[in-house]
Amino acid sequence: GENVEQHPSTLSVQEGDSAVIKCTYSDSASNYFPWYKQELGKRPQLIIDIRSNVGEKKDQRIAVTLNKTAKHFSLHITETQPEDSAVYFCAAFQGNFNKFYFGSGTKLNVKP
Amino acid sequence: EAQVTQNPRYLITVTGKKLTVTCSQNMNHEYMSWYRQDPGLGLRQIYYSMNVEVTDKGDVPEGYKVSRKEKRNFPLILESPSPNQTSLYFCASRDVSRGLTFGAGSRLTVL
Repeated sequence: GENVEQHPSTLSVQEGDSAVIKCTYSDSASNYFPWYKQELGKRPQLIIDIRSNVGEKKDQRIAVTLNKTAKHFSLHITETQPEDSAVYFCAAFQGNFNKFYFGSGTKLNVKP
Repeated sequence: EAQVTQNPRYLITVTGKKLTVTCSQNMNHEYMSWYRQDPGLGLRQIYYSMNVEVTDKGDVPEGYKVSRKEKRNFPLILESPSPNQTSLYFCASRDVSRGLTFGAGSRLTVL
């Protein structure tokens, strides 16, 4: 099956700085890569996603990049704000088996 | 409002007492799935369903059952719960063009 690894497990940045979270996957058949934000005590919420035929996608302060050859994808958050503090999960969707595989999460702390 | 609703939100039970966690979505999604979330392990898929009467195992199906008799409902059944099934459970549904929409979660404690 697929194996998704996520780093770092915790990340602390100063407000206004950028944050980068990286994930790797193992199965080249995975074709869809969403990112979720989970605030304390809340459900995961989709913040951005990318498909395997696209290399980069941006949505305001958030961007995701995908390198299919190296099998890794990254979340970039610019101009971080305290409300960005949360746990972020990456995921890979293995289309052949209709399964989602999640990374173990990154706890982002944005210090004011 | 488009949503995934799961109940109960909190449950404390004892080993061996059968329980069902219900999940319902109002978005006419074909794909529904269940996950458990444990510290340091992220979200792990238990079961998923591609449509009515079509279900399949995820990564951690042992000890769980599901059914999909109607498109909107996808209950998770624990026939004989054990303490290692103490966890936070999320139901989710998916539009083919987007990612998962999660329910609010059900925190289950098995004593």
